[in-house]
Amino acid sequence: DVKVTQSSRYLVKRTGEKVFLECVQDMDHENMFWYRQDPGLGLRLIYFSYDVKMKEKGDIPEGYSVSREKKERFSLILESASTNQTSMYLCASSFSDRGAEAFFGQGTRLTVV
Amino acid sequence: AQSVTQLDSQVPVFEEAPVELRCNYSSSVSVYLFWYVQYPNQGLQLLLKYLSGSTLVESINGFEAEFNKSQTSFHLRKPSVHISDTAEYFCAVSSNFNKFYFGSGTKLNVKP
Repeated sequence: DVKVTQSSRYLVKRTGEKVFLECVQDMDHENMFWYRQDPGLGLRLIYFSYDVKMKEKGDIPEGYSVSREKKERFSLILESASTNQTSMYLCASSFSDRGAEAFFGQGTRLTVV
Repeated sequence: AQSVTQLDSQVPVFEEAPVELRCNYSSSVSVYLFWYVQYPNQGLQLLLKYLSGSTLVESINGFEAEFNKSQTSFHLRKPSVHISDTAEYFCAVSSNFNKFYFGSGTKLNVKP
């Protein structure tokens, strides 16, 4: 079974803290994604990586950065957490073949207080 | 640019009744279409997908979706729902670069 593992299910952080969300996949997928899920808005793409050290901005990259030093690991970084970044964060991965499906982690519910 | 519209945010339905969850997309290029399901406090799981060929695709648990190119739609249907189908359903599209764009989701609430 494909496994996408996010390091935390729940996190509570203070405003202004630097926050790291980690994601690891075990299927040798080329592509990895970070999404943010908010009620009524669905999933919005924050960042996308198609190879080690390669990244592209998604639709809502402001306030976030990412790191992909190894193929299996994709980190999302909140440089200075703010309350409007309270959300569910979902990591996903896929092969680079056309039409390949995405596999998702369980999600990290982040609360910024 | 691609976008996905799910017209219904919530769909209440009684057990054993049929259901249709609507999805429309806009894209200037060929797309691949997916339906994902999310049960409470879980990540998303693939329900079914359309890549090419037959426009009707089926899942193992009785759902089906039909790709309609002229109407740019990919509606999800089930002839008889169960309580266990209660979940949120997301329609998604991807193109050649495999970025996935999701709709806003439809919460299916199956009542006894």
